[in-house]
Amino acid sequence: GAGVSQSPSNKVTEKGKDVELRCDPISGHTALYWYRQSLGQGLEFLIYFQGNSAPDKSGLPSDRFSAERTGGSVSTLTIQRTQQEDSAVYLCASSLREAGSYEQYFGPGTRLTVT
Amino acid sequence: QQQVKQSPQSLIVQKGGISIINCAYENTAFDYFPWYQQFPGKGPALLIAIRPDVSEKKEGRFTISFNKSAKQFSLHIMDSQPGDSATYFCAATRGSTLGRLYFGRGTQLTVWP
Repeated sequence: GAGVSQSPSNKVTEKGKDVELRCDPISGHTALYWYRQSLGQGLEFLIYFQGNSAPDKSGLPSDRFSAERTGGSVSTLTIQRTQQEDSAVYLCASSLREAGSYEQYFGPGTRLTVT
Repeated sequence: QQQVKQSPQSLIVQKGGISIINCAYENTAFDYFPWYQQFPGKGPALLIAIRPDVSEKKEGRFTISFNKSAKQFSLHIMDSQPGDSATYFCAATRGSTLGRLYFGRGTQLTVWP
């Protein structure tokens, strides 16, 4: 079946502009995660959505970052007033989150470059 | 603080050899330990995972060894192939509650033909 998809695959933006990154999780997966991968920083958790529960936003690095998930499916990560340090690959993952099912499946990522 | 520590940072192995990557964790509440494989320009792909109720799990040429008392786990790649050249990440999570993965910093594996 179809995996996690993300768009765009690459995004170049000017410092100070806002960007929106999209994630389409695997159909039927109730949990959705955003991570950031930077050179030398590994994989960094950003935010986690699970069903209708309040999202876990504990990983968001600043209030310039926000995310929403509409209809329990598609998610959008928004970065306002982008800075050069926001340049990274933004990865989305989804999980079924049934009892005993903890596997997270990642999309290909969006490479964000802030100039 | 780094919840999962991974070593080595890079590893070079000859074709046919055994690749071993080690990870250690702090939080005894972690109950799910996956390994991911990532090729350049791609997202991480789930390779194999283990729960703390077993000490070893094998899938093909890939084996996870788990030592609960030492809070360590490792990935062994038997008969390493050039196609295994990638970056490998270990991770841990408290699957029943938090959901987020805590990742090691990754190991870049190069298998020479």
